[in-house]
Amino acid sequence: ETGVTQTPRHLVMGMTNKKSLKCEQHLGHNAMYWYKQSAKKPLELMFVYNFKEQTENNSVPSRFSPECPNSSHLFLHLHTLQPEDSALYLCASAGVAGGITRTDTQYFGPGTRLTVL
Amino acid sequence: AQKVTQAQTEISVVEKEDVTLDCVYETRDTTYYLFWYKQPPSGELVFLIRRNSFDEQNEISGRYSWNFQKSTSSFNFTITASQVVDSAVYFCALSFPYNQGGKLIFGQGTELSVKP
Repeated sequence: ETGVTQTPRHLVMGMTNKKSLKCEQHLGHNAMYWYKQSAKKPLELMFVYNFKEQTENNSVPSRFSPECPNSSHLFLHLHTLQPEDSALYLCASAGVAGGITRTDTQYFGPGTRLTVL
Repeated sequence: AQKVTQAQTEISVVEKEDVTLDCVYETRDTTYYLFWYKQPPSGELVFLIRRNSFDEQNEISGRYSWNFQKSTSSFNFTITASQVVDSAVYFCALSFPYNQGGKLIFGQGTELSVKP
């Protein structure tokens, strides 16, 4: 596979469930991102990882827990979600040039459409 | 302030018409990137173009063209001879490659509907 993949593509869960979203990039990038896109709202950045280290948490509630075991994989663990968390969750990755640490174009996966009942 | 504004929420055109999507940005940084992404109904954001703040040359790629003007802080996108497959939400975005982890600042998006 090439590019950025996300699984599952669709997820329906109850408020008491625990589930995880998975993102994998095959582009050799070192930066990975989680975004949330709610209906009629702009994309919201949730988390940023650079070289497996979290560099940004955009005031995301603790019921969302990211994990980046290596530069190719990113997970978003979900626990005790609310109906307002229903949204499209997009993962992206970008190349980071060594030395100067310039972050390049972000490439996005197809997203996971999450519905919380 | 760092901000991207896409004033057009929805645009509807008939196939073969030309259409321009507007994008205005705000930043005090001198080094930045500007992007356009396309989001078809399937949901994936598809990268279309990246422009470096030091490169004001306009670009044409097939039916797509981009007009970058620093004097008006605008980065407009024109589709010539639109087609039904161009129907999507288009996002303009701003990032700072040397800081903020390349964080993208998105506009609200413009939903383009091309009717046959």
